[in-house]
Amino acid sequence: DSGVTQTPKHLITATGQRVTLRCSPRSGDLSVYWYQQSLDQGLQFLIQYYNGEERAKGNILERFSAQQFPDLHSELNLSSLELGDSALYFCASSPGTGTGNTIYFGEGSWLTVV
Amino acid sequence: AQKVTQAQTEISVVEKEDVTLDCVYETRDTTYYLFWYKQPPSGELVFLIRRNSFDEQNEISGRYSWNFQKSTSSFNFTITASQVVDSAVYFCALSWSRGSEKLVFGKGTKLTVNP
Repeated sequence: DSGVTQTPKHLITATGQRVTLRCSPRSGDLSVYWYQQSLDQGLQFLIQYYNGEERAKGNILERFSAQQFPDLHSELNLSSLELGDSALYFCASSPGTGTGNTIYFGEGSWLTVV
Repeated sequence: AQKVTQAQTEISVVEKEDVTLDCVYETRDTTYYLFWYKQPPSGELVFLIRRNSFDEQNEISGRYSWNFQKSTSSFNFTITASQVVDSAVYFCALSWSRGSEKLVFGKGTKLTVNP
């Protein structure tokens, strides 16, 4: 158990809909990351938050947004969903201080868009 | 640009064989960090090891060992006496000192250990 909690574990939704994925980081970790894993793109970094502020942005679509709340949990919002958004979405966390910290991943949220 | 290459897409071995998973990285930073993660069929990503660019010592943990060679920009992973439970996709990843800690992953190597 990595200590990173993600909900829901599985989600099936229709095209055009909006979903929210939730993440609780490990106790004491200030940084939260979101990654997308799809068959064709592999593991892609989407976005990072550190103590409530956006720190780095990767290949995140404009239809996607995220935020980190004062209690450090994070949410990834996916809207106007398309079939191609079907993927495994990982949340991860690290202490966020300095560089090179180990990043621990949650079990992922499987999103299927039909 | 930072890049990780895992040239082996899939490897299949018989139980008790040794197997080495290759990882080649590219970065211009002198301070960087290398990682291996395991993704079993259940889907979670499990951290295995972290190495910084200043520590080229090889590491052994049970049946797992890692060979870090800066001269060839490689960070290879060997499983000795493989077991069926080692069947998984293994990812090599890189972060660097000016990269906000985000990880760049290789495409992964799917290892199948047959009984």
